[in-house]
Amino acid sequence: AQSVTQLGSHVSVSEGALVLLRCNYSSSVPPYLFWYVQYPNQGLQLLLKYTTGATLVKGINGFEAEFKKSETSFHLTKPSAHMSDAAEYFCAVSEVAAGNKLTFGGGTRVLVKP
Amino acid sequence: ETGVTQSPTHLIKTRGQQVTLRCSSQSGHNTVSWYQQALGQGPQFIFQYYREEENGRGNFPPRFSGLQFPNYSSELNVNALELDDSALYLCASSGQPANTGELFFGEGSRLTVL
Repeated sequence: AQSVTQLGSHVSVSEGALVLLRCNYSSSVPPYLFWYVQYPNQGLQLLLKYTTGATLVKGINGFEAEFKKSETSFHLTKPSAHMSDAAEYFCAVSEVAAGNKLTFGGGTRVLVKP
Repeated sequence: ETGVTQSPTHLIKTRGQQVTLRCSSQSGHNTVSWYQQALGQGPQFIFQYYREEENGRGNFPPRFSGLQFPNYSSELNVNALELDDSALYLCASSGQPANTGELFFGEGSRLTVL
């Protein structure tokens, strides 16, 4: 069975500071990994994904994540936070051949201070 | 190209009642997945429909059932509602069940059970 752990349910950063959201996964087979963002009263939007190939993945809005197999991690970063980054972020895992059935972490809510 | 639309956006039911939630998939998508997102938690996979057949189910009881229609729209039905069924129900569509992980989410139907 696969699982996802997101460390920290809430993160507060200053505008212009580094954003770092941590995600560790458990999977018995090579995983596909995703970060989704959810703005208030909206559905989820895909930020980025790792399937195969390059382990450093770039996504929308300046976010990137690095797949580290040895650490079973897929942490999300953004060098400089913007007020518009305030949202909830979800890490998710899907096993190959699982057919788009995602297992999500509990989410991390990001607050950006001016 | 129209996105994923869900209805109703909000509804209130009482324990024991039944509810039907509806979802229109994004144009060109033939696979629909349903997720339950309880307050403060990540989404949990309920089931997926592909070409009008159930294509995988999460850990939800049989009183959660679904349908997919020839136009790929879908319904989620929940019978004998319980208080713990209060949640945001998210519908997501994709082009095929293949494991690319890119799901396109609607804004959800928020169900409150009293």
